[in-house]
Amino acid sequence: DTGVSQNPRHKITKRGQNVTFRCDPISEHNRLYWYRQTLGQGPEFLTYFQNEAQLEKSRLLSDRFSAERPKGSFSTLEIQRTEQGDSAMYLCASEGDKGPHYGYTFGSGTRLTVV
Amino acid sequence: SQQGEEDPQALSIQEGENATMNCSYKTSINNLQWYRQNSGRGLVHLILIRSNEREKHSGRLRVTLDTSKKSSSLLITASRAADTASYFCATEQAQAGTALIFGKGTTLSVSS
Repeated sequence: DTGVSQNPRHKITKRGQNVTFRCDPISEHNRLYWYRQTLGQGPEFLTYFQNEAQLEKSRLLSDRFSAERPKGSFSTLEIQRTEQGDSAMYLCASEGDKGPHYGYTFGSGTRLTVV
Repeated sequence: SQQGEEDPQALSIQEGENATMNCSYKTSINNLQWYRQNSGRGLVHLILIRSNEREKHSGRLRVTLDTSKKSSSLLITASRAADTASYFCATEQAQAGTALIFGKGTTLSVSS
């Protein structure tokens, strides 16, 4: 297991279309996080899973956004009826049990451009 | 919402010099972490300091934490061109949730 994998790396879509991103975390990590990052800003928290349970959702996660982690392994983030304001880098991170304090392991992100 | 506020927003230094970045936060924390991000890439975890620790070292990195002032600093000694990146502090809040809250970052440029 080489790290957190995100697909696709880039996505260009027309306004109003739906998009889905996938994140494959480190296999032994039970916590998975989604963040959104716009240019010049730090990552903003969207949602968090512990195994298959979605335990936290940010107010940023409008009803057009939905995330799943059906078997406690990979996760998907879907954005319906995309808007230009959704253009951002979507980052996924995973974390194991808090023993050695290694922090989060981030994927390389999916860059979404809504035109 | 963003908890941390890094200072300065941008820093330019020569190779071999030290770089110091500061982070202030608003609420009680369990720990504070620093991450590095190269342009267009994901973040890489650098170091974590717990709320009951005051200083921590890792290679050329030195992190301090002052919980009374709600602030932290990251010192990179003997900087290299490869240290050019954005640096973010992130806090795990004591009261609310478990997700890290990130600041806006400091962009470090090291020229050779």
